[in-house]
Amino acid sequence: DTAVSQTPKYLVTQMGNDKSIKCEQNLGHDTMYWYKQDSKKFLKIMFSYNNKELIINETVPNRFSPKSPDKAHLNLHINSLELGDSAVYFCASSPQTSGLTIEQFFGPGTRLTVL
Amino acid sequence: TQLLEQSPQFLSIQEGENLTVYCNSSSVFSSLQWYRQEPGEGPVLLVTVVTGGEVKKLKRLTFQFGDARKDSSLHITAAQPGDTGLYLCAGGGAGKSTFGDGTTLTVKP
Repeated sequence: DTAVSQTPKYLVTQMGNDKSIKCEQNLGHDTMYWYKQDSKKFLKIMFSYNNKELIINETVPNRFSPKSPDKAHLNLHINSLELGDSAVYFCASSPQTSGLTIEQFFGPGTRLTVL
Repeated sequence: TQLLEQSPQFLSIQEGENLTVYCNSSSVFSSLQWYRQEPGEGPVLLVTVVTGGEVKKLKRLTFQFGDARKDSSLHITAAQPGDTGLYLCAGGGAGKSTFGDGTTLTVKP
């Protein structure tokens, strides 16, 4: 029944490691997103994919690489993790729109802690 | 860069009180969404407003979009502990949403 799912829920790792977060949506949506929410709860978009194609890349370090094998999945791989990468990462999806009204459905988040 | 500022940033009230949260920008948005986020979960969409001056009601929650489509408000009547959470506004346009900085609401029983 879960509409947007993410794994893992929690991720604790050492600086310098490489890790991946997976996201799947069963809503049939065309567009998927990755957001980073910092300790002050500010939600900042990182990437947006539409039908497996990258459409938004918001000045994210190239250590972050999204991959969309199909339109229901958008995974996030992070290389050489840094302390500042610690945050909660949310995946979201939205139906195809004109781009003017974007109603997003969010996953439960992945809390990443870099030690 | 389009910025959305929410006020107040934090609000702590007693059950039964009324409150209003504001979302302001100097930019015009094609649409505006309100989300509520509970601890340990992702934001959940509450409403979308599209037309300037539009008012939408969702039980005890009333949402208004400013005439110029630059601002919005969320009014909660007779707040309940279940309303506790982080309220986020998001402005839509150019294929992406810009989120406000959030209002953390605590309703004490």
